[in-house]
Amino acid sequence: AQSVTQLDSQVPVFEEAPVELRCNYSSSVSVYLFWYVQYPNQGLQLLLKYLSGSTLVKGINGFEAEFNKSQTSFHLRKPSVHISDTAEYFCAVSDLAGGYNKLIFGAGTRLAVHP
Amino acid sequence: EAQVTQNPRYLITVTGKKLTVTCSQNMNHEYMSWYRQDPGLGLRQIYYSMNVEATDKGDVPEGYKVSRKEKRNFPLILESPSPNQTSLYFCASSLTGTTAYEQYFGPGTRLTVT
Repeated sequence: AQSVTQLDSQVPVFEEAPVELRCNYSSSVSVYLFWYVQYPNQGLQLLLKYLSGSTLVKGINGFEAEFNKSQTSFHLRKPSVHISDTAEYFCAVSDLAGGYNKLIFGAGTRLAVHP
Repeated sequence: EAQVTQNPRYLITVTGKKLTVTCSQNMNHEYMSWYRQDPGLGLRQIYYSMNVEATDKGDVPEGYKVSRKEKRNFPLILESPSPNQTSLYFCASSLTGTTAYEQYFGPGTRLTVT
């Protein structure tokens, strides 16, 4: 069965600094990957997704992620963060092995942007 | 506006008192799912539904029931809530359940069972 590991539970960073949130998944023949963001007291919002094609995926709010099949990673990056990026970020993989679109989530990374 | 709605957003109840959390989507999605979110565990799937009258267990179904009588609605039922069901609950939907389409999430329901 698929699993997702988010390597950092918390990432503190100063405003305008770059950030990388790390995500590794267990290997699979076909993999579909997602990053979701959860702002305080809100639901989850899709940041970006990798289904196929280019390994560099661009999402909303200036985020991007790179799919690396050999390292089974899907790290999320932003070159310059803003206070408003403070949120919890979830990496997820779609596991279709059971015949349906099951999302397996990582434990989440809390990004805290400081002025 | 395309959205998934949940009610109530906050609920405090006592052990054993039956409750229902409603979920509705207006996107004509076939696939709907319930998750619970606990600190350090991410989101775990409780139940899912591929379409009307087609529901199945996820990873943590114990203590929960669901039904899917209409395409747009997917209520979560706790017949005898216990304190270990205190959690943040999310409903989600996607176009189909057979392809890796993105899932759209509701705003969440924070449940406290005392």
